[in-house]
Amino acid sequence: DVKVTQSSRYLVKRTGEKVFLECVQDMDHENMFWYRQDPGLGLRLIYFSYDVKMKEKGDIPEGYSVSREKKERFSLILESASTNQTSMYLCASSPLGNSPLHFGNGTRLTVT
Amino acid sequence: AQSVSQHNHHVILSEAASLELGCNYSYGGTVNLFWYVQYPGQHLQLLLKYFSGDPLVKGIKGFEAEFIKSKFSFNLRKPSVQWSDTAEYFCAVNAYTGGFKTIFGAGTRLFVKA
Repeated sequence: DVKVTQSSRYLVKRTGEKVFLECVQDMDHENMFWYRQDPGLGLRLIYFSYDVKMKEKGDIPEGYSVSREKKERFSLILESASTNQTSMYLCASSPLGNSPLHFGNGTRLTVT
Repeated sequence: AQSVSQHNHHVILSEAASLELGCNYSYGGTVNLFWYVQYPGQHLQLLLKYFSGDPLVKGIKGFEAEFIKSKFSFNLRKPSVQWSDTAEYFCAVNAYTGGFKTIFGAGTRLFVKA
């Protein structure tokens, strides 16, 4: 069974801090995604990657960057955290671009 | 760019009632369609998917969905809900727009009264 592991379940950071969210998948999937989930807004795509060192902007990339140095790992970086980035962050992976997504358990980030 | 609209944000039903959750999308090209479910405290998981062929697709736990291309709709149905169906349901559309992207609707919270 596919496992997508997000390094932290809960994080509390201060405004202006640099924040790293880590995600690892164990099924050799080509594609990885970062979403944020907010009540009433559903999931919004931040960035995705279809290959090592490749990245594409999603619908809300502002304030975020990503890194994919190895196939199994996809990191989301908040360069300077702000309170409006308080949210649940979900990582997902898929073998092909049009395959169903496999999700991690999420990281609930609070920025104070 | 594609977008997804889910008509109901909150639905409350009694056990054994029938369920239909609406989903419409906007995208002119070929799409792949999904419904995901998130049970309380759990991660999102796939309920069912449509790629091509029979527009009526069946998923897990007795759920089904019908793709109506002319209406850009992919509504989720279940003839008789159970208390254990209490969850949040997300419709999602996957399409190629310079890379395959999956876009989600805002979600529908379903509460089933025992």
